[in-house]
Amino acid sequence: DIQMTQSPSSLSASVGDRVTISCRATQDISTYLAWYQQKPGKPPNLLIYAASTLQSGVPSRFSGSGSGTDFTLTISSLQPEDFATYYCQKYSSAPWTFGQGTKVEIK
Amino acid sequence: EVQLVESGGGLVQPGGSLRLSCAASGFTFSSYWMSWVRQAPGKGLEWVANIHPDESEKYYVDSVRGRFAVSRDNAKNLLYLQMNSLRVEDTAVYYCARFRSTTWSSPPDCWGQGTLVTVSS
Repeated sequence: DIQMTQSPSSLSASVGDRVTISCRATQDISTYLAWYQQKPGKPPNLLIYAASTLQSGVPSRFSGSGSGTDFTLTISSLQPEDFATYYCQKYSSAPWTFGQGTKVEIK
Repeated sequence: EVQLVESGGGLVQPGGSLRLSCAASGFTFSSYWMSWVRQAPGKGLEWVANIHPDESEKYYVDSVRGRFAVSRDNAKNLLYLQMNSLRVEDTAVYYCARFRSTTWSSPPDCWGQGTLVTVSS
């Protein structure tokens, strides 16, 4: 099975910072990669699909890039509401594995 | 408005069974792939199962295959997860989710609020 590894596991940042989260697959998944944001006690919220397509209603400060095995989620200017945990997920084939998550905390 | 509402969670002893339900509304349920995803307390997300709109394809994570069964009733707009031989490590919030499009090649974009399953003696 293809494994998904995110880095870092956590990070501290300030409002206005540019934040980058990485997700690496152990095999080529083309662009079948999604990014989610999850806040405590809430279900995940889809941010990006097809590696770089912004889901409707998601602020443009979020962007995604990559293909094959290496992917990146970028928040161009971190806002107070962006402090949360972020997950990548592959959906190229079963199993639809998630990364372990990256917690973005306030510095 | 798309809505997904899970029910059926609760406390069950190891080895026991539970059936989760997910009531869907606001979209043509019979056209969409659906997912179950779980999250153990304080842990990350784990994909559990997917089901094709007509039940012709079902997929499971290895840790639940043979113990869990996903099904749906398109006439009633209901998604199910039958969980048998439950283990302590199955303790989690279980979410149902709808794929973003009617094809398999899209991630879930709408999620329920989740139902908590606790497996403990």
